[in-house]
Amino acid sequence: GENVEQHPSTLSVQEGDSAVIKCTYSDSASNYFPWYKQELGKGPQLIIDIRSNVGEKKDQRIAVTLNKTAKHFSLHITETQPEDSAVYFCAAPEGYSTLTFGKGTMLLVSP
Amino acid sequence: DAGVIQSPRHEVTEMGQEVTLRCKPISGHDYLFWYRQTMMRGLELLIYFNNNVPIDDSGMPEDRFSAKMPNASFSTLKIQPSEPRDSAVYFCASRGFLAGFPETQYFGPGTRLLVL
Repeated sequence: GENVEQHPSTLSVQEGDSAVIKCTYSDSASNYFPWYKQELGKGPQLIIDIRSNVGEKKDQRIAVTLNKTAKHFSLHITETQPEDSAVYFCAAPEGYSTLTFGKGTMLLVSP
Repeated sequence: DAGVIQSPRHEVTEMGQEVTLRCKPISGHDYLFWYRQTMMRGLELLIYFNNNVPIDDSGMPEDRFSAKMPNASFSTLKIQPSEPRDSAVYFCASRGFLAGFPETQYFGPGTRLLVL
């Protein structure tokens, strides 16, 4: 089955700095990579996703990059704000039906 | 769209009691997933359904756990009898071809279960 590793487990940045979270996956057939944000007391919410036919996707201050050869993908958040503080999860497909999630990264943005 | 709806949002019960968690998926979605989240284990898939049929329940920890999906708009996860180690946040998620990508799962707000 798919194995997803996520780093770092915690990340502290100053407001305005950039944050990068990295994930690796094991199944070279995987072709879809979502990122979820989980705020305290809430369920994970999809923030961005990418298919394997593109190398990068942007949505305002967030972007995801994908390196299929190396089997890793990253979440980039620029100009971080305190409201970006949350736990972020990456995921990759497990077969056709399910997702395998990383262990999560707790991002803390200090004012 | 109201998103995935879960009830109750919080549940406190005593060891040995039966607990029933409820989920209403997004209308039109044909997959439904039950997850458990703890600090130690992270996000674990317990069981998932496709078109109301259980497909894989290998993540269900013990026979004390059971799940049903009697129709496309309702599912339950039952724990009987409950134990303190069942304390966790339980999430329901759904996916379907209404999503931008068919693989995208949408999560509910979760049920925070505390078994004393």
